[in-house]
Amino acid sequence: GQQLNQSPQSMFIQEGEDVSMNCTSSSIFNTWLWYKQDPGEGPVLLIALYKAGELTSNGRLTAQFGITRKDSFLNISASIPSDVGIYFCAGPPLNAGGTSYGKLTFGQGTILTVHP
Amino acid sequence: EAQVTQNPRYLITVTGKKLTVTCSQNMNHEYMSWYRQDPGLGLRQIYYSMNVEVTDKGDVPEGYKVSRKEKRNFPLILESPSPNQTSLYFCASSSLPTAEAFFGQGTRLTVV
Repeated sequence: GQQLNQSPQSMFIQEGEDVSMNCTSSSIFNTWLWYKQDPGEGPVLLIALYKAGELTSNGRLTAQFGITRKDSFLNISASIPSDVGIYFCAGPPLNAGGTSYGKLTFGQGTILTVHP
Repeated sequence: EAQVTQNPRYLITVTGKKLTVTCSQNMNHEYMSWYRQDPGLGLRQIYYSMNVEVTDKGDVPEGYKVSRKEKRNFPLILESPSPNQTSLYFCASSSLPTAEAFFGQGTRLTVV
């Protein structure tokens, strides 16, 4: 199936630093979703993006839907210890006809560690 | 409280012994899906269901079955588990595939 490549695979940062991560695909997506998974929990939606070029914020988090529709970025400003977790991008792959057919593909995840 | 409930949370079983992991949601969502999570591979979709009696394969369906006889329940069935199915499994539901998905707490399965 289609793959989403997340970068970096892991990050170790100091509290207060800003964080950037991205997600790329070889094919276009119509929707980009960013999830966070806390240790021992299921993923929780952070931000959803539905339009190319869209820039959306959720508190200290900002995500952008790339103009090419093949990538998306997530930024976290002024990180705090509770930002620790795994961040996933996700999206529905399009079939040959250009419509989403119900599948949802996730990236491999970016593991974030924040040192106090 | 809106939630997705999976059972059991932990399961150790032997190769070949059929098992079922249950999933139930109370949000009247039409879309439900199952994922497995393995280190370095992220979440991979096993099966999904767009509505009652409508199911389809995800990216890694081999060795799994599902059923959707009623809207709230979406059990995952392993007819003959093998060690390569040792993984962390998540069930999720949403109103649409691209809408916010609510995940269960996960089921950690070990097949020996």
